Parts: sequence; structure tokens; C-alpha cells
Amino acid sequence: DVKVTQSSRYLVKRTGEKVFLECVQDMDHENMFWYRQDPGLGLRLIYFSYDVKMKEKGDIPEGYSVSREKKERFSLILESASTNQTSMYLCASSTRVGVDYGYTFGSGTRLTVV
Amino acid sequence: AQKITQTQPGMFVQEKEAVTLDCTYDTSDQSYGLFWYKQPSSGEMIFLIYQGSYDEQNATEGRYSLNFQKARKSANLVISASQLGDSAMYFCAMREASFGNEKLTFGTGTRLTIIP
Repeated sequence: DVKVTQSSRYLVKRTGEKVFLECVQDMDHENMFWYRQDPGLGLRLIYFSYDVKMKEKGDIPEGYSVSREKKERFSLILESASTNQTSMYLCASSTRVGVDYGYTFGSGTRLTVV
Repeated sequence: AQKITQTQPGMFVQEKEAVTLDCTYDTSDQSYGLFWYKQPSSGEMIFLIYQGSYDEQNATEGRYSLNFQKARKSANLVISASQLGDSAMYFCAMREASFGNEKLTFGTGTRLTIIP
């Protein structure tokens, strides 16, 4: 089975802290994505990466950065956490090979900033 | 303009009945893909079904089918013979096939509750 693993299921951080959310996939997928999910807003794309050391801004990149030093790992960084970044964060990966480029998602990290 | 619109925030359906979840989309691309995902209360996103814009037949996967009406830009998910385990959030998503574009754009979701 394709697996996308997010390092934490639940996380509580203080305002102003630097927060790292880690995501690892084991299927050699080229593409990796970070979304945040909020009630009534669906999933919104924060950042994505098509290859190692490559990154592209999504729809809501402000307050976030990412790192992809290895193909299997994509990290989301909250430079200075704020309460409005309290949310569910979902990592996903996909491959360009195949007819339908569906995503495989991790189980999510529910982040609370206090 | 919203690229993916799901107009039903919540739905209640009697067990064993069929249910249709609405999804309309907006794109100027000729080549695109449409996806449906299920998110149970545990939080994981489960891929259900895919429809390519050039597919002539509606996609089906077990009890799931996608009612694809290209001219109307709609891609409704139909679940036949609903079960209690179908209670979940359901998201419609679209991938536009611009070169190098692998992004999925999601709708706001529909919360489906199956009543025994």
C-alpha cells in the first residue's frame, strides 16, 4: 500500500513558535502537497513540490514555508505560529505516471495554536 | 469564481436509499480530471472515483458512480444503496491539465449522514 505518513496526529503550539510538520511518502512519488482544511472552506493548497528542492506557492502560502531536501520528505514550516493557523493540515503525494493522477493523503495533523 | 462548487453543506439520507451529491466545476481547459474523495470522522481522505474529461462513459466503482454532464459542467456522485458507513464528508476535486499542473482544486464538501 502507498503510504503517506505525517509525523504528528495532534499538535499544540504556542503563538510565535516555529512549527515543523513532517510528511514522508514511500512510493517514490514526484509530487507532494500541503493543504489546510477548515470547516466550510474545504481544502486549500498551501504549497506543493514537483521535485526535490523545488517548491511552488499554492493559494494561501502566507505565513508558511516548505522544504524538500529528499524526494520522500516534504516539510511544512510555520515561521511564527499564530492562532489563525489553527487547522487540520493534510499532506498528499501523487505520481505523474498513470491515467488518473489521484492523490494519496496522510492521516492529517490537527494543529492548535494557543 | 469558484472552480469547484458543492452546494449541499449537509444531507440526511435513509439507509438503503440512493443519494446524489452535487458538484459543478468551472474550467476553460479541454482536458481535465474530476475526483471524488470521502473523509470519515477519522480524518483520512479516501479516493473514490475518477472521471476524465474525454471519457465517454460515466465512471463507476462498485456502489459509486459519477454522473458526468460535460455541457453542464457537472460531476455528481451517486451512491447506490447507502450504508451507515457512508456517513462522512465528501469532496469533489478537479485537476486541470495545463502543462505541469498537477494540482487538485477542492470544493467545500458535503457532509452526508445516513439514518438507520
